[in-house]
Amino acid sequence: AQKVTQAQTEISVVEKEDVTLDCVYETRDTTYYLFWYKQPPSGELVFLIRRNSFDEQNEISGRYSWNFQKSTSSFNFTITASQVVDSAVYFCALRNTGRRALTFGSGTRLQVQP
Amino acid sequence: DAGVIQSPRHEVTEMGQEVTLRCKPISGHDYLFWYRQTMMRGLELLIYFNNNVPIDDSGMPEDRFSAKMPNASFSTLKIQPSEPRDSAVYFCASSLADRGTYEQYFGPGTRLTVT
Repeated sequence: AQKVTQAQTEISVVEKEDVTLDCVYETRDTTYYLFWYKQPPSGELVFLIRRNSFDEQNEISGRYSWNFQKSTSSFNFTITASQVVDSAVYFCALRNTGRRALTFGSGTRLQVQP
Repeated sequence: DAGVIQSPRHEVTEMGQEVTLRCKPISGHDYLFWYRQTMMRGLELLIYFNNNVPIDDSGMPEDRFSAKMPNASFSTLKIQPSEPRDSAVYFCASSLADRGTYEQYFGPGTRLTVT
């Protein structure tokens, strides 16, 4: 069985603060894929990033960065200099090689105050 | 390119009525997924197809739910009869099995309310 835990239910920050969203996963597979999705107030799910289990290199995309650590089964997401437009629910998800469907965490609601 | 298209965007129906949700995946994608989002259970898979064939329907709640994919560009999710506990946002997603990436791209969702 696989599981994704996002322990932070809600985070509130003031604009320009840095914020890290935590994601811890469980899987017995040696090859798997991790994802982050953003769900803004409008409701759609927007793909942000995919990370393969065999590639532990961290990634930066503009103000977004991701820290993947297999040793701790974590795939954390940091937003630098947060903006009001970053306010959304963020989901971490896991997929193994056998089952194509995603297993989602419960999501973290991020509120960025102006 | 057009993304995943879902219709209707909102559906309000009375308990006992039949409800049909529709999805058009991204052209060329060979996987199609139906997910449901509720406050209590979060995002959960209902069923997914590969090349129009159902592969895993273990998430379908009960016999009242059925899904079909008659061709590569269209899928339906039907609930008959509907119940208030079916109220949720239903998402359709598609992906392409290319080089093992499998990112899933989601439609805007259908918000279903059963009264």
